[in-house]
Amino acid sequence: SQELEQSPQSLIVQEGKNLTINCTSSKTLYGLYWYKQKYGEGLIFLMMLQKGGEEKSHEKITAKLDEKKQQSSLHITASQPSHAGIYLCGAPPGGADGLTFGKGTHLIIQP
Amino acid sequence: SQTIHQWPATLVQPVGSPLSLECTVEGTSNPNLYWYRQAAGRGLQLLFYSVGIGQISSEVPQNLSASRPQDRQFILSSKKLLLSDSGFYLCAWSQGTSNQPQHFGDGTRLSIL
Repeated sequence: SQELEQSPQSLIVQEGKNLTINCTSSKTLYGLYWYKQKYGEGLIFLMMLQKGGEEKSHEKITAKLDEKKQQSSLHITASQPSHAGIYLCGAPPGGADGLTFGKGTHLIIQP
Repeated sequence: SQTIHQWPATLVQPVGSPLSLECTVEGTSNPNLYWYRQAAGRGLQLLFYSVGIGQISSEVPQNLSASRPQDRQFILSSKKLLLSDSGFYLCAWSQGTSNQPQHFGDGTRLSIL
């Protein structure tokens, strides 16, 4: 079965600094989804990547999928308190099946 | 626009009691529906998914069951809760085609005493 490993598990960053979160798959990815979760709340969809080498941006968040489609990174530029939360990557095994998720990266932004 | 509703938001139940969590989606038809559980230290685990009315696939054999009595309604049930059923339960939906993002509800925090 597919496994997704996220690193780091937790991250404390000073406000205004850049940061990167990684997601590595044990198998080739057929799609990769990034979500953000605030503590005790549901997941908010951020971005979806499908093609090797693909890069997408939304506001100050950029996600990339490597050419070999086994690793994705999420980069936040000039971090803000609103970026704090848990970031999860998820990948589908195919079809209508549910997603396999990484265990998440806990991001804390220090003022 | 599409919305997803889950209730209740929090629930405290004694061991051995029954459970019914409900999820409904608005603004779309024939969605794929999913139940996940998020337990501390274990990440998000897929429990059930459904591609249509009455069609349920189970990912993990356990004390729980799911039903889809209507197109946009997904119910998670148990006849007798166990302590290990505690956790944060999330319902999600996606469009009925492949490679579409899943959209999540706000979750139900279930505590078993």
